[in-house]
Amino acid sequence: GAGVSQSPSNKVTEKGKDVELRCDPISGHTALYWYRQSLGQGLEFLIYFQGNSAPDKSGLPSDRFSAERTGGSVSTLTIQRTQQEDSAVYLCATLRPAGWDTGELFFGEGSRLTVL
Amino acid sequence: AQKITQTQPGMFVQEKEAVTLDCTYDTSDPSYGLFWYKQPSSGEMIFLIYQGSYDQQNATEGRYSLNFQKARKSANLVISASQLGDSAMYFCAMRGHYNQGGKLIFGQGTELSVKP
Repeated sequence: GAGVSQSPSNKVTEKGKDVELRCDPISGHTALYWYRQSLGQGLEFLIYFQGNSAPDKSGLPSDRFSAERTGGSVSTLTIQRTQQEDSAVYLCATLRPAGWDTGELFFGEGSRLTVL
Repeated sequence: AQKITQTQPGMFVQEKEAVTLDCTYDTSDPSYGLFWYKQPSSGEMIFLIYQGSYDQQNATEGRYSLNFQKARKSANLVISASQLGDSAMYFCAMRGHYNQGGKLIFGQGTELSVKP
């Protein structure tokens, strides 16, 4: 597609359930990032992929959070045993290959997660 | 550690007037990039403008300009001739160290409201 696509756009789940959030990047964009945005807050970095590997996982808040990327394309962010504090908008972004220093990130529209 | 600070949680401006949104940063890297993004109520992140640390001139993009004062470590966004559609959250961001894969570190944001 033309832009970064995320699904689902909205997810309501019960505390303790697992959720998967999906990101389809712009074709050819090898670098992929996940961010979390809590209500009224800035963007909190979670994890960065270069191809299928994740050189920087420093932002994952706990071991309940994991992410993978396959085929250098689609990425999935998984949250296990969800807690109410996990409620947020999860944003995926990609970077064009030659743009690591000057290029902007292209963001998806986010997945809004609500944990009841 | 790198840090972005936006000290104005909210700003008001009259339509057609100019407004400055403040951003200060902290980094020990000699080379870095600074970005501004706009986030309307719809939630999408829209790239506005980029300034490289070695750029001699302030960046401009249409009605947006970045007032870059390197010695003060500030990168304020100036919006000229404000329009009602400029009402949104605005985030200042800095590119991390090169070995962090190009991720952006965001400030907490400034909510701009344009009055008719």
